[in-house]
Amino acid sequence: NAGVTQTPKFRILKIGQSMTLQCTQDMNHNYMYWYRQDPGMGLKLIYYSVGAGITDKGEVPNGYNVSRSTTEDFPLRLELAAPSQTSVYFCASSYLGQNQPQHFGDGTRLSIL
Amino acid sequence: AQTVTQSQPEMSVQEAETVTLSCTYDTSESDYYLFWYKQPPSRQMILVIRQEAYKQQNATENRFSVNFQKAAKSFSLKISDSQLGDAAMYFCAYRSLNSGNTPLVFGKGTRLSVIA
Repeated sequence: NAGVTQTPKFRILKIGQSMTLQCTQDMNHNYMYWYRQDPGMGLKLIYYSVGAGITDKGEVPNGYNVSRSTTEDFPLRLELAAPSQTSVYFCASSYLGQNQPQHFGDGTRLSIL
Repeated sequence: AQTVTQSQPEMSVQEAETVTLSCTYDTSESDYYLFWYKQPPSRQMILVIRQEAYKQQNATENRFSVNFQKAAKSFSLKISDSQLGDAAMYFCAYRSLNSGNTPLVFGKGTRLSVIA
């Protein structure tokens, strides 16, 4: 099993450009999450999904959109990239249940210039 | 809202020695989960250990153990027989047990260096 796979690993965008960060998991997990990690900080939740067709906002959703058309995929879209969105983005997934650990991808380092 | 505080931005330990990383949290809830995650230079977040608040017994995973003090809202991580591969950022995280898919709340992390 590959676990949680994120692409790309690195990307540089110009202000105002758009892009989609891809995330896929092969563990048949119900829940999927997108976090951002700013330098010297812990992870903050952007969006999450409890299943296909269902998404909810996290702590810092502004400037992002998500969709969950399948159990496996949970892409994160930036419509108008801003310097404040420079960060490392992590996708994670887990089974149903509050005690279930989240499995993380390797992260995407995104710079907006 | 819950908060998680890691008061030690950086720690170091000699190889084979023991080190304790501190974590405190603020909550009004009685049931919740606590986690320690490790983030090595590869950036991947790896679950180290987890603790259910309703369990009095401290969780252990091989060389990793916790000291869970519920009344003090403290959840420290002890690493015994430290190895070079333990060098990483360590994040403490809280998760409510309330209904719905509540997110993890992370601390800012502690960077652990292991000295050979």
